Amino acid sequence: AQSVTQLGSHVSVSEGALVLLRCNYSSSVPPYLFWYVQYPNQGLQLLLKYTSAATLVKGINGFEAEFKKSETSFHLTKPSAHMSDAAEYFCAVSENSGYSTLTFGKGTMLLVSP
Amino acid sequence: KAGVTQTPRYLIKTRGQQVTLSCSPISGHRSVSWYQQTPGQGLQFLFEYFSETQRNKGNFPGRFSGRQFSNSRSEMNVSTLELGDSALYLCASSLATGNEQYFGPGTRLTVT
Repeated sequence: AQSVTQLGSHVSVSEGALVLLRCNYSSSVPPYLFWYVQYPNQGLQLLLKYTSAATLVKGINGFEAEFKKSETSFHLTKPSAHMSDAAEYFCAVSENSGYSTLTFGKGTMLLVSP
Repeated sequence: KAGVTQTPRYLIKTRGQQVTLSCSPISGHRSVSWYQQTPGQGLQFLFEYFSETQRNKGNFPGRFSGRQFSNSRSEMNVSTLELGDSALYLCASSLATGNEQYFGPGTRLTVT
């Protein structure tokens, strides 16, 4: 069975500061890993995905994530936070089994202060 | 290219009633998945359809059902609504099973 743990339900940063959102996964097979962002009253938007190619994945809006198999982690980072980054972020895992089923973490709300 | 559309966006129902939610995938996408999002349980997978066949199902009671039509549009139905069914229901489409998913804006269901 697969699972995702996101450390910290809320993360607060100042505008211009480094953003680090943590995600650890558990999977019995090589996983596909994803980060999604959700703005209020909207659906989920894909930020980036890892599908067993390069371990450092670059996504949209300046975000990137690094797959570390030894640590079973897929942390999301952005060098400099912007006010528009304030949203809820979800890490998700999909086992490479041919199905699209995503297992999500509980989410981390990113708060950005001026 | 139009995104995933879901109708209605908001819905209020009474306990015991049933409800049908609709999802139109991105043109050319043949796989549709449904998720329930609640503050307590987070995002949970309901089911996935591909070429009108249910490919996978989450751990939800039989009151939750779905179907997919030949044009890939999908509906989900919840019968005998309970207060705990109040949630945001998200639909996602992908080209095929195993591809990345694109989410719609969701249907906010409130059960009173």
